[in-house]
Amino acid sequence: DAGITQSPRYKITETGRQVTLMCHQTWSHSYMFWYRQDLGHGLRLIYYSAAADITDKGEVPDGYVVSRSKTENFPLTLESATRSQTSVYFCASSDGQVGYQPQHFGDGTRLSIL
Amino acid sequence: GENVEQHPSTLSVQEGDSAVIKCTYSDSASNYFPWYKQELGKRPQLIIDIRSNVGEKKDQRIAVTLNKTAKHFSLHITETQPEDSAVYFCAAYGSNYKLTFGKGTLLTVNP
Repeated sequence: DAGITQSPRYKITETGRQVTLMCHQTWSHSYMFWYRQDLGHGLRLIYYSAAADITDKGEVPDGYVVSRSKTENFPLTLESATRSQTSVYFCASSDGQVGYQPQHFGDGTRLSIL
Repeated sequence: GENVEQHPSTLSVQEGDSAVIKCTYSDSASNYFPWYKQELGKRPQLIIDIRSNVGEKKDQRIAVTLNKTAKHFSLHITETQPEDSAVYFCAAYGSNYKLTFGKGTLLTVNP
């Protein structure tokens, strides 16, 4: 399903470096989300966006920055990466507020911080 | 905020048997409950969802039941097949306007 794409798929970086994960969707969905997935924790919401230029924190926002200048893009930036941010990151989108429209996920980015 | 508990964390069944995964939630205002299937190394994929005005929903071999009074919902898979092997996640959409996920159940279907 090419509707939502994430890049890169794999990334290795060092502590203290800045890294940006990209998310692009072609559906013109209004809502976009960033989750991290860690063993034993399931999926935890980092940030979400209801529309261009509207973003809000999720459950675990510390250490992350997002922006949404265009509806189709929702990049996630780790300003100074730490080892605890090693994880698999999933972007998702939905056509309307969750509870009324389902979320669809990208293929994920596996991020390792050494 | 919302808290979602999922059990069991692992489940092993024989091909052809049924599998049941249970979730409880804490926010009585939660009104949407999706289930996702995630195969190893793949994205979570929505397999079925239910809204709070419905008690049960079926889609072929998969069904979900919801008990609002007890605040729990369950996924039922009948006639399991090896390709059903995956991690299954429940989630609840509550008054915080966010989806809260359970920690997942690793289902293994043995041929």
